[in-house]
Amino acid sequence: EAGVTQFPSHSVIEKGQTVTLRCDPISGHDNLYWYRRVMGKEIKFLLHFVKESKQDESGMPNNRFLAERTGGTYSTLKVQPAELEDSGVYFCASSSTVNYGYTFGSGTRLTVV
Amino acid sequence: DQQVKQNSPSLSVQEGRISILNCDYTNSMFDYFLWYKKYPAEGPTFLISISSIKDKNEDGRFTVFLNKSAKHLSLHIVPSQPGDSAVYFCAASEFSGNTPLVFGKGTRLSVIA
Repeated sequence: EAGVTQFPSHSVIEKGQTVTLRCDPISGHDNLYWYRRVMGKEIKFLLHFVKESKQDESGMPNNRFLAERTGGTYSTLKVQPAELEDSGVYFCASSSTVNYGYTFGSGTRLTVV
Repeated sequence: DQQVKQNSPSLSVQEGRISILNCDYTNSMFDYFLWYKKYPAEGPTFLISISSIKDKNEDGRFTVFLNKSAKHLSLHIVPSQPGDSAVYFCAASEFSGNTPLVFGKGTRLSVIA
């Protein structure tokens, strides 16, 4: 089976611009998570979807971040407008059951200059 | 305030010897712990987990030990192989895995041939 796919793998944008990250989970996985790793720091939770509903968005840093999962399939994470501190690697993960060692994608490395 | 701490940023071990990676946590509500392995430009890969009702879980060359009273867990890899060289993340969750994972900063393991 195909793994979790994230696009793009890298993105370099200027401060103030908008960027949209996409995640395609493993087919049939109802749970989808977004995490972020800022350089040298821990991987931090952003939010959790169950199908198309936001189960937990307590980790979203501020209202410049908007996540959607229309139809309960792929998800997008939009950052608008991007700030320098948004730079990092954004990971998506999916699972059929909650947590229990879910599968991560390769991540999108976002650089805001 | 870090709830999951991996105090060793790096570790070097000779091939064939034992690698011991340590992790401490502060939240007494954590009851499910996982180890992830990460290669460059890839997402974290689930390695092994342990529930708080156990103090040891073994899977091939990998064993995780949990000391609840000390709020400490460790991952033992024996024998270590060059392919084990990667960054290892400790993660924890509450309510038997039904809350988002909280990660440590990771330990970079280098296995020297």
